[in-house]
Parts: sequence; C-alpha cells; structure tokens
Amino acid sequence: AQKITQTQPGMFVQEKEAVTLDCTYDTSDPSYGLFWYKQPSSGEMIFLIYQGSYDQQNATEGRYSLNFQKARKSANLVISASQLGDSAMYFCAMRLYSGSARQLTFGSGTQLTVLP
Amino acid sequence: NAGVTQTPKFQVLKTGQSMTLQCAQDMNHEYMSWYRQDPGMGLRLIHYSVGAGITDQGEVPNGYNVSRSTTEDFPLRLLSAAPSQTSVYFCASSYSTTPSGGAGTQYFGPGTRLTVL
Repeated sequence: AQKITQTQPGMFVQEKEAVTLDCTYDTSDPSYGLFWYKQPSSGEMIFLIYQGSYDQQNATEGRYSLNFQKARKSANLVISASQLGDSAMYFCAMRLYSGSARQLTFGSGTQLTVLP
Repeated sequence: NAGVTQTPKFQVLKTGQSMTLQCAQDMNHEYMSWYRQDPGMGLRLIHYSVGAGITDQGEVPNGYNVSRSTTEDFPLRLLSAAPSQTSVYFCASSYSTTPSGGAGTQYFGPGTRLTVL
C-alpha cells in the first residue's frame, strides 16, 4: 500500500524568505501522481501543484515549485518569497493510476507560519 | 461552475441518529470521494466512486454508506451516528486516471463539520 510521510509538524519562515516543506512517499507502482494542497484556517482544501511520476521536469506554479527526486522518493514543496497569507496547513498526497486504489493518500501535514 | 458543493456546512447529531451528507459537482467528473479529517490529521478516505452505479470502500468505511445514481451526486449516509464520527467531512471529485498534465487532480468541497453528542 502507498504511504506519504511529512516529518515536519510545524515550520516557521520569515516573510519574503523561501521555505521547503518535506514529503516522502512509498509505492512500488510506477505510475502515480503527487499533489500538494493548502488548508488555511478557514478549512477549505486548495490544490496547489501536481507532479506526475513520468514528468521529466519539476512542476512549477507561480511561487510554488515541486522538487521531485524520484530515486529518493521525495516530492518537496518549495514556496518562494513567502507571504503572510501562506500561513496554513500543507498536505502532500499521492494517487496511483493503476489498479483499484486510485484515490488520494494524504500525509499528516505541516503547519506553516509566516512571520512578519 | 459551482465546482463541488456540500450541504450542510454544520450539523449536530445525537448518538444513534442517522443523516445524509450531500455532495454534488457540476464538472462532469467520473471520480468522487468522501474523506474525513480529524483534528491535527490528514484526510482519510471513507468511500469512493469511479462512475455512476459503482462504489467502493476506502480506508475507514465502517458506519457509512454511499450510492452513486448520477454522475453529479454522491451522498454519504451515516447509519447510526457515534461520537467517534465527529469530524470534518470533505467530498472531492476528479477526472480519470491518466498521470500526465495534472489529470486526476481532486477538487474539494468546502466541508461539513459534524458533531455527534
């Protein structure tokens, strides 16, 4: 079965600095996708960025980039130029694309606090 | 597009009561899922559906039923509420399963906060 591990329960970063949120995953399936979601204090789940297992380049979306290291099974989220509004819980998730288990498996999350 | 909608936003039940959480999407997504989120934790899959008429169990299905009679709707039924079911419930939907270009990204509803006394 697939597993997602986020080892940083909480992180602090100074406004305008960059921050890296760690995520490692475990699967023997060659076909999968990795996702990052943001959950602000209001509670909704906001999709940020996606990386497919066959994608050759690291995904980027504005200030978000995904540092995908397939051999190490890591998919770290990098937020550049942090803003106060980035303070939220961040979840890493994985989805397989074969077999019956095609739904998302989530990590336990990292609470990011951006300091002024 | 309204995206994924959930009703109600908040609900309080007494132990033993039953109720249905509603979920609808207008994006013509094949896949729909229900998750629960307990304090300080990630989301855990309850049930999911790969299309109308097809449902399957996730990680924590006990105490819940689902059905999928249309592409748009995926209600979650609590059969006999228990305090252990106090949680925030999220419904999500997505297109199918190719791994390229973000296909399969799940979009979430706003959640239902359920308290069972």
